[in-house]
Amino acid sequence: SQQGEEDPQALSIQEGENATMNCSYKTSINNLQWYRQNSGRGLVHLILIRSNEREKHSGRLRVTLDTSKKSSSLLITASRAADTASYFCATDASGTYKYIFGTGTRLKVLA
Amino acid sequence: DVKVTQSSRYLVKRTGEKVFLECVQDMDHENMFWYRQDPGLGLRLIYFSYDVKMKEKGDIPEGYSVSREKKERFSLILESASTNQTSMYLCASSLRKNLRGSRNQPQHFGDGTRLSIL
Repeated sequence: SQQGEEDPQALSIQEGENATMNCSYKTSINNLQWYRQNSGRGLVHLILIRSNEREKHSGRLRVTLDTSKKSSSLLITASRAADTASYFCATDASGTYKYIFGTGTRLKVLA
Repeated sequence: DVKVTQSSRYLVKRTGEKVFLECVQDMDHENMFWYRQDPGLGLRLIYFSYDVKMKEKGDIPEGYSVSREKKERFSLILESASTNQTSMYLCASSLRKNLRGSRNQPQHFGDGTRLSIL
């Protein structure tokens, strides 16, 4: 089963609205990362949050991490049509160099 | 900026063929990874390498092998291609550690190879 599972699977919003995506995971982690994938392209790293951090910001992105609930959320504020993409969380498997990716949230921002 | 280049964007091969997928990175990263991406299944790790000539199996290594003879190049080999290996293949690289010694650094991905096995 997936270590990281995103919720919802798909999200459709109007331009200017905020988009929130959630990620749950199963085992202890060193860090959690969020990536974006535009259609037909590779993944692009967005933000990394360490296990001892609770919140992190980068531009219009805000990530929270709750290690007690083994969950994270990604908030995109004031969304734009260009934010249309799939978003994945990835967790490291402690003690290894491996990452485990979820199945992603497909975000569609309507102009 | 890190550039990870995969040799082909689209590839069509026949069952039973030996298929090579090549990946090159230009940032001297120690770690390199091969994933396949299928609808509804997300990214699944096939193999990864943390140094030249070093490799470790990921979650779905069956039917695949890898080669890392040089630090910048990581090749994925389908020994005898089958139709269930039709997929999007993604290569990624990362530093082993950052300057503070933290592992699990961000991965940089290529644009993928969409492989069809007929």
